[in-house]
Amino acid sequence: DADVTQTPRNRITKTGKRIMLECSQTKGHDRMYWYRQDPGLGLRLIYYSFDVKDINKGEISDGYSVSRQAQAKFSLSLESAIPNQTALYFCATSDPSGSGDTQYFGPGTRLTVL
Amino acid sequence: QKEVEQNSGPLSVPEGAIASLNCTYSDRVSQSFFWYRQYSGKSPELIMSIYSNGDKEDGRFTAQLNKASQYVSLLIRDSQPSDSATYLCAVTGVGGTSYGKLTFGQGTILTVHP
Repeated sequence: DADVTQTPRNRITKTGKRIMLECSQTKGHDRMYWYRQDPGLGLRLIYYSFDVKDINKGEISDGYSVSRQAQAKFSLSLESAIPNQTALYFCATSDPSGSGDTQYFGPGTRLTVL
Repeated sequence: QKEVEQNSGPLSVPEGAIASLNCTYSDRVSQSFFWYRQYSGKSPELIMSIYSNGDKEDGRFTAQLNKASQYVSLLIRDSQPSDSATYLCAVTGVGGTSYGKLTFGQGTILTVHP
């Protein structure tokens, strides 16, 4: 089984809809991250969490919110989706006590907002 | 100036040649450096991490770090068509707003042709 899983893998939604992307991990890592990827722009950080009680905004948090339900679960919500949120979304985890700042990525969620 | 900038692509090399990928970063206190490979539609996977000045070799891959000049490079020897992918450079800092976070470059597309 994959260490970092994301659901759904693909989602098409309409403008104004609320949508939640979920991430689960079995790696036992405290740190979790949400990124979006757009063509030619690399990966940009949306939100990150260093433990269950620690949530921080990344460089592009506007229009997004997150919830850290447990060490293993980190969800990303789009309260009112808009077309420019169409992108590939990745969840990642890291364990600074083990492999330093190495981040391990989930398979991604392709989101299309019409 | 972008925080992490990679040489513009796409880069095309013949099979068996050396592919050279370059990355510069703006934050002088950056401490950890990573190269990820990403196949189209897939998640990034770690190829190399480097923390000290000099070269680090792993099979056909060599990472080179020069903190004084603020650049990190990746050499791929005996390039294979299976190396065709987007390569992402990522950098993390030690404190302040950079702590525990990766900043990615925009990626360089590499094509290895038979």
